[in-house]
Amino acid sequence: DVKVTQSSRYLVKRTGEKVFLECVQDMDHENMFWYRQDPGLGLRLIYFSYDVKMKEKGDIPEGYSVSREKKERFSLILESASTNQTSMYLCASSFRRVRVLGYTFGSGTRLTVV
Amino acid sequence: AQRVTQPEKLLSVFKGAPVELKCNYSYSGSPELFWYVQYSRQRLQLLLRHISRESIKGFTADLNKGETSFHLKKPFAQEEDSAMYYCALSINSGGSNYKLTFGKGTLLTVNP
Repeated sequence: DVKVTQSSRYLVKRTGEKVFLECVQDMDHENMFWYRQDPGLGLRLIYFSYDVKMKEKGDIPEGYSVSREKKERFSLILESASTNQTSMYLCASSFRRVRVLGYTFGSGTRLTVV
Repeated sequence: AQRVTQPEKLLSVFKGAPVELKCNYSYSGSPELFWYVQYSRQRLQLLLRHISRESIKGFTADLNKGETSFHLKKPFAQEEDSAMYYCALSINSGGSNYKLTFGKGTLLTVNP
């Protein structure tokens, strides 16, 4: 069974802090994704990566960056956290041909910025 | 522009009644569509994909290219079907790479 593990289930951070959200998958998936999930807005893509050291902006990249130094790990970085970044963050991974198989999601990190 | 529309934010039915969760899409390429489900306090998980033409937990979904729809149906709803449901469209983002774009979700409540 594919496992996508997000390091924290809940996080509380202060405005202006640098925040790291970690995601690790154990099935040798090429693709990894970061979404944020907000009520009424669904899932919105922040950044994604198709390979080590590669990254692409999603629909809402502002205020975020990512790092993928190893195939199994994809980190989301909030350079200077703000209250409007309070949200549920979901990591997902897939084989390159997501077209057929879809994603596997982590359990999410609920981030509160105060 | 590629888009997935789920017109209902909330849907409430009684146990044993039929349920249909609507999904419409716009995409210039050949569409690949999915339904994901998130039960309370659980992770988002794949429910079904149109390419498999499968029935999972009694749910089915048929791709209608003419109406650009991929509605999710179940003839007799159960209380355990209460969850958030997301429709998703696979979009080519260059070469052989694809990503999913999601609708805003429909919260289904099945009342006893």
